[in-house]
Amino acid sequence: QVQLVESGGGVVQPGRSLRLSCAASGFAFSNYGMHWVRQAPGKGLEWVAVVSHDGTNKYYSDSVKGRFTISRDNSKNTLNLQMHSLRSEDSAAYYCAKDLFGYGAGFYMDVWGKGTTVTVSS
Amino acid sequence: QSALTQPASVSGSPGQSITISCTGSSSDVGGYNSVSWYQHHPGKAPKLMIYDVTKRPSGVSNRFSGSKSDNTASLTISGLQAEDEADYCCCSYAGSSTYVIFGGGTKLTVL
Repeated sequence: QVQLVESGGGVVQPGRSLRLSCAASGFAFSNYGMHWVRQAPGKGLEWVAVVSHDGTNKYYSDSVKGRFTISRDNSKNTLNLQMHSLRSEDSAAYYCAKDLFGYGAGFYMDVWGKGTTVTVSS
Repeated sequence: QSALTQPASVSGSPGQSITISCTGSSSDVGGYNSVSWYQHHPGKAPKLMIYDVTKRPSGVSNRFSGSKSDNTASLTISGLQAEDEADYCCCSYAGSSTYVIFGGGTKLTVL
């Protein structure tokens, strides 16, 4: 079945870096745009970034632009999020999600992972 | 850009209908027919319930429906059931600069 499994979360000090990964299975990964979405404790969902199916187009929220980089390895069915200069407000559960429609970088997320938690604290 | 505005909570009794509003601006909700709604049970993965304002993905009950008027989108759940109790979050495309913006989420309580 279609599955997304995030990994790489943990506790990190402010200003440090962390890399999240998402392993995809059960669908043609290289045909779909992929997203990262986060949810801080007690808050709503916040979209973070999207990458097109072939990795050529990437979009970011203003809150992470310049600090986070989304990437994908279609040969390994893996989505990544490299996070630099982490702040306390980046603490959240991070979800990877598959785009509903194939090709390009869309804006509907039809399959989600269960999330990995990032805590930024000294 | 600020999150889309949703009521913090709504409630209803089994069998009743409820509507959750999602207010944005002409730069997002009002500017595009690209609104979606997600159901999120705590500790579980969010689930896409509505896309393109009114469309339901395969497998989503027809008790869920979406609409939009000007800068406000709405999700209506008819024939409320206990399992509908969850957080509901709206989402809109907002142009190539902002791209995607979520609402703050609404907690639905089935009384």
